[in-house]
Amino acid sequence: GNSVTQMEGPVTLSEEAFLTINCTYTATGYPSLFWYVQYPGEGLQLLLKATKADDKGSNKGFEATYRKETTSFHLEKGSVQVSDSAVYFCALRRNQGGKLIFGQGTELSVKP
Amino acid sequence: SQTIHQWPATLVQPVGSPLSLECTVEGTSNPNLYWYRQAAGRGLQLLFYSVGIGQISSEVPQNLSASRPQDRQFILSSKKLLLSDSGFYLCAWCRLENTGELFFGEGSRLTVL
Repeated sequence: GNSVTQMEGPVTLSEEAFLTINCTYTATGYPSLFWYVQYPGEGLQLLLKATKADDKGSNKGFEATYRKETTSFHLEKGSVQVSDSAVYFCALRRNQGGKLIFGQGTELSVKP
Repeated sequence: SQTIHQWPATLVQPVGSPLSLECTVEGTSNPNLYWYRQAAGRGLQLLFYSVGIGQISSEVPQNLSASRPQDRQFILSSKKLLLSDSGFYLCAWCRLENTGELFFGEGSRLTVL
């Protein structure tokens, strides 16, 4: 079946450190891939997305590249800020029905 | 612009009591609607989705039910809550034509005691 696996958290970094959150997926066909972010006490919001192989999604300094050969969509940021502290969810959308399948989420804590 | 609202934001209920969480979407028509649950320390679990009025699909067997009485209204219910129903419930909507990006409500935190 279709599934998403993320690296376990929590991830704790110092401000300005480099961030990588790993995400791999299993899917039939060619899914679209997403990263959502959930700030404390809030709902989720879309951070970035990629709809086909080799696409790179980017937003707010975050990037992720759709790698079909490794079935991965790792999230990266060159220099994190305290305000980036949140839970990050990787997700895929199956071709039919618009349903998103989420990973378990990775909590990021950035210390000043 | 489109907006999505959920209420109540916070709810504390005793075991065995009923539940009703409401979600409405404004500024769009015929959206796909979803209910997700986020249990403490765990990921998001899709509970129900709906592609139209009166059309409900359940993803997992459970103590909850959903209804869509109007095009932009989605309700999550239970007749008798269990302790395991505690969690953060998120309503979301999407349009198929924009690659399925989901727009989430603010969430409703339910604590069953």
